[in-house]
Amino acid sequence: GESVGLHLPTLSVQEGDNSIINCAYSNSASDYFIWYKQESGKGPQFIIDIRSNMDKRQGQRVTVLLNKTVKHLSLQIAATQPGDSAVYFCAEDTGFQKLVFGTGTRLLVSP
Amino acid sequence: KAGVTQTPRYLIKTRGQQVTLSCSPISGHRSVSWYQQTPGQGLQFLFEYFSETQRNKGNFPGRFSGRQFSNSRSEMNVSTLELGDSALYLCASSPPGAGGDNEQFFGPGTRLTVL
Repeated sequence: GESVGLHLPTLSVQEGDNSIINCAYSNSASDYFIWYKQESGKGPQFIIDIRSNMDKRQGQRVTVLLNKTVKHLSLQIAATQPGDSAVYFCAEDTGFQKLVFGTGTRLLVSP
Repeated sequence: KAGVTQTPRYLIKTRGQQVTLSCSPISGHRSVSWYQQTPGQGLQFLFEYFSETQRNKGNFPGRFSGRQFSNSRSEMNVSTLELGDSALYLCASSPPGAGGDNEQFFGPGTRLTVL
């Protein structure tokens, strides 16, 4: 099923490149942020999270950076692979599991 | 461990009808959240339940309602369906934790089409 908007910003990269996806959040009081990946026909899949007492967190091939001063998140994917092609959403938890999602970025990886 | 399951996966209804969607959380998870996803509005929070109590609610009309059972399974209901209710409805569950801020695991969604 369709899971994406018609006019999502798109990032096109070559396989092996590093990808950077950016996101601005709205609530300066939010203290928990998550990146999700959504493939066509599937629900969002957790990638990595970060709490406001950190400014960087690394996972396997992914890094999230948090800049609280300008309310900005970024997701860095190292050595991007075709299987990374999906829509990526940032989300902020505004309390009691209420996630406010960004509009999403479509990542297209060419072999 | 089985993931979040949602039934049905696809549903077609006509305007004015009502619909009930079901969500079974991951075993041991007590928090269930519902989201609506549309191309125009993106992912929007509907409501969240924990131990059969609604703890949080988004900005949707009263036609959207939900409930949670003692086994943590949840249902959401939409009455008097409108064309604009056509969307992917996603359910997410979270492990127990005080106040939230826990990772949410999403199901595959129910695709509702209103004709």
